[in-house]
Amino acid sequence: RKEVEQDPGPFNVPEGATVAFNCTYSNSASQSFFWYRQDCRKEPKLLMSVYSSGNEDGRFTAQLNRASQYISLLIRDSKLSDSATYLCVVTRGGGADGLTFGKGTHLIIQP
Amino acid sequence: GAVVSQHPSRVICKSGTSVKIECRSLDFQATTMFWYRQFPKQSLMLMATSNEGSKATYEQGVEKDKFLINHASLTLSTLTVTSAHPEDSSFYICSASSGGRETQYFGPGTRLLVL
Repeated sequence: RKEVEQDPGPFNVPEGATVAFNCTYSNSASQSFFWYRQDCRKEPKLLMSVYSSGNEDGRFTAQLNRASQYISLLIRDSKLSDSATYLCVVTRGGGADGLTFGKGTHLIIQP
Repeated sequence: GAVVSQHPSRVICKSGTSVKIECRSLDFQATTMFWYRQFPKQSLMLMATSNEGSKATYEQGVEKDKFLINHASLTLSTLTVTSAHPEDSSFYICSASSGGRETQYFGPGTRLLVL
């Protein structure tokens, strides 16, 4: 089983629609969870951290289910600028451990 | 926000040469720096973790004698790809964190092409 598994997509979504991504992770020792965004040929940029209680940042909502080892990201009212690859990321343990990245889900917002 | 720079952004070299990539934290002290590698259509893979002043910890399958990491100061880490070969062509990205915190700040990456 891959350490972090995501549907690679691509997800083709009309502008203004709501889109949801999921990922699963295998390392039960992971303590912190994130969604990163990566544009083509660029470095990943932190989109948001993910908490069990769920957290929202503008149009973005993230949720963590520790029991199922499942992480989700919801994007509402999608914009053309949301087109990117979304990376599900977990820490290898806690503190300043390295990160384990999923391969990413490619999102294309269509006008 | 915290800024991490990498230099060079792109390098093309002949097979057998060594290439040094610098990673700098510009506005904070990076107690830990990480080096990742990303092949096309693949996920970022952690290569090694380095703490300032101590030897780097390499991931399984990463040759420490081929990928030399130095983290001599709190703002600079270097990765040297020794005797580079075409299969080393990749996107190398560093990240830095401070004080044991989980947030990592990524550099813009270095594209290495070995001919």
